[in-house]
Amino acid sequence: DGGITQSPKYLFRKEGQNVTLSCEQNLNHDAMYWYRQDPGQGLRLIYYSQIVNDFQKGDIAEGYSVSREKKESFPLTVTSAQKNPTAFYLCASSPVVLAGVYGSGEQFFGPGTRLTVL
Amino acid sequence: QKEVEQDPGPLSVPEGAIVSLNCTYSNSAFQYFMWYRQYSRKGPELLMYTYSSGNKEDGRFTAQVDKSSKYISLFIRDSQPSDSATYLCAMKTSYDKVIFGPGTSLSVIP
Repeated sequence: DGGITQSPKYLFRKEGQNVTLSCEQNLNHDAMYWYRQDPGQGLRLIYYSQIVNDFQKGDIAEGYSVSREKKESFPLTVTSAQKNPTAFYLCASSPVVLAGVYGSGEQFFGPGTRLTVL
Repeated sequence: QKEVEQDPGPLSVPEGAIVSLNCTYSNSAFQYFMWYRQYSRKGPELLMYTYSSGNKEDGRFTAQVDKSSKYISLFIRDSQPSDSATYLCAMKTSYDKVIFGPGTSLSVIP
């Protein structure tokens, strides 16, 4: 059963803590993305990766970090430097042919993780 | 001015109505246009994808792109309560990342 899984579904963070959100895909997609969704705003790109061991900052990378050690996995760490981390976090993936320069940009999303700061 | 704008709603219609959802955009270089449906507390799922101008139909859904007016639409015929969700438009140039609209919340009342 192919797809993207994210865990946990709900996550609570205390002030000053780092937390890591998991994203795994078995679609054999090369490109993976992390977005943040806030009420009334479009999805905002945090980081993306088009190949293992390589990733680029998106529009709102400050306070976040990622790694891409395996094709299937793209974990996101929300650090204590992120001052307003409460949001819904979405991971997505795409075949490289769609993610590339002349690709349509179609992406396949996971179910999301809701992060709340206590 | 935001690159992609959508009326956030909420839009409430009776079951069986025709629904029209719209996005306007400012970047004339956008060439790929997508509509995603997002149920509450779930990830978005791709509904429709179109390239450049024109119409595309898939069952009860029709996507329309008017590049001269920088305006895209999604029509839902014979709307059902199961269509109640937030609809996100998204678009991309040939060389850059995808830009998402903020979404329109739709409720179809039985």
